[in-house]
Amino acid sequence: EPEVTQTPSHQVTQMGQEVILRCVPISNHLYFYWYRQILGQKVEFLVSFYNNEISEKSEIFDDQFSVERPDGSNFTLKIRSTKLEDSAMYFCASKGTNSGNTIYFGEGSWLTVV
Amino acid sequence: GDSVTQMEGPVTLSEEAFLTINCTYTATGYPSLFWYVQYPGEGLQLLLKATKADDKGSNKGFEATYRKETTSFHLEKGSVQVSDSAVYFCALSRAGSNYQLIWGAGTKLIIKP
Repeated sequence: EPEVTQTPSHQVTQMGQEVILRCVPISNHLYFYWYRQILGQKVEFLVSFYNNEISEKSEIFDDQFSVERPDGSNFTLKIRSTKLEDSAMYFCASKGTNSGNTIYFGEGSWLTVV
Repeated sequence: GDSVTQMEGPVTLSEEAFLTINCTYTATGYPSLFWYVQYPGEGLQLLLKATKADDKGSNKGFEATYRKETTSFHLEKGSVQVSDSAVYFCALSRAGSNYQLIWGAGTKLIIKP
């Protein structure tokens, strides 16, 4: 079964450093998402991406965050200058036009900012 | 705005017990409803879904029925196993919001042998 893959599975970074989280959505999917889950808290929406542009973003997704689809397969989330409160599990997800409204998630990238 | 409320956990049951995890929602229009499961150390997996009123989603012995009149989507299983221990998330999405998911807080389920 096709799946969303994410790398790295775990990253530790110094506060103030830039981080790029990578995702390979399911082939032929057109909607892409990033969500995050701070330990013990709710899953939170960050951003949705469709037709090569951001379609919606949350208040969390400020100027420190950016997304990019640099080629036909990858979808990346960049955090320019990480803060301690950015420590969380980051989930990439994708949705196809033929999958109804079902969103498929990757296994997550656990980011620890120290 | 839209929201999802789940019963607080943890829920601790013995193996073969009956499970109910309550979920209610507030939304405009007609959302689709989902249950996702997160096993320890793993990502979010879709467990089941329902897209319209009175639909029943089912998978792996779990069931949930979309009840518009009570705005609920309670998760049930007749006989739980130790392997069902996980965190269960109720969520909704609306087509007009780019299918963005709105999440409940999650309910941790612990099944004891």
